[in-house]
Amino acid sequence: GEDVEQSLFLSVREGDSSVINCTYTDSSSTYLYWYKQEPGAGLQLLTYIFSNMDMKQDQRLTVLLNKKDKHLSLRIADTQTGDSAIYFCAEKSGTASKLTFGTGTRLQVTL
Amino acid sequence: GAVVSQHPSRVICKSGTSVKIECRSLDFQATTMFWYRQFPKQSLMLMATSNEGSKATYEQGVEKDKFLINHASLTLSTLTVTSAHPEDSSFYICSASLGAGATDTQYFGPGTRLTVL
Repeated sequence: GEDVEQSLFLSVREGDSSVINCTYTDSSSTYLYWYKQEPGAGLQLLTYIFSNMDMKQDQRLTVLLNKKDKHLSLRIADTQTGDSAIYFCAEKSGTASKLTFGTGTRLQVTL
Repeated sequence: GAVVSQHPSRVICKSGTSVKIECRSLDFQATTMFWYRQFPKQSLMLMATSNEGSKATYEQGVEKDKFLINHASLTLSTLTVTSAHPEDSSFYICSASLGAGATDTQYFGPGTRLTVL
């Protein structure tokens, strides 16, 4: 089945850029997503990218997709303490609606 | 737009009782709703997919008689944990989407924390 992997933890200083990485195995992925989860809360959709795109930018967020290497990244510019959360990548393949989530990366922003 | 609510946000119950969790799409009609389970410090595990007016499709290993899902309208789906036991304690999250296709984005509810004593 599909497998989506992320590093567990990332610590950055306030004002620096954060880069959260994700690898997946399903070559038929159509859409890839980034979600943010704050403690005790549900998931907030941050952004998504269609599989035929290489990059998508939305204000402080930049998503890069390397389809050949099945590698997705989320860059957060000028990271703030409010960005501290768990970030999940997720992929959707074929015509299905089912999402497969990564293991989640906990981002800690220090002063 | 695209707001999904869950009720209750937190519930504590005794072992052997049944608990119902509601998931509502507040400002759109959700043809498809999903139910996930999340254990502490772990990722989301899809339990089932439900389409309005039809039976839910359960993922492998999820007991359909244990976790009853009803999707009676385009804005409401319910998950009932029957005869709950301590091992059912978890964070349950629903999501809703306009359709069941690849282009349909899922919008997530805030989650329900279930504790079974």
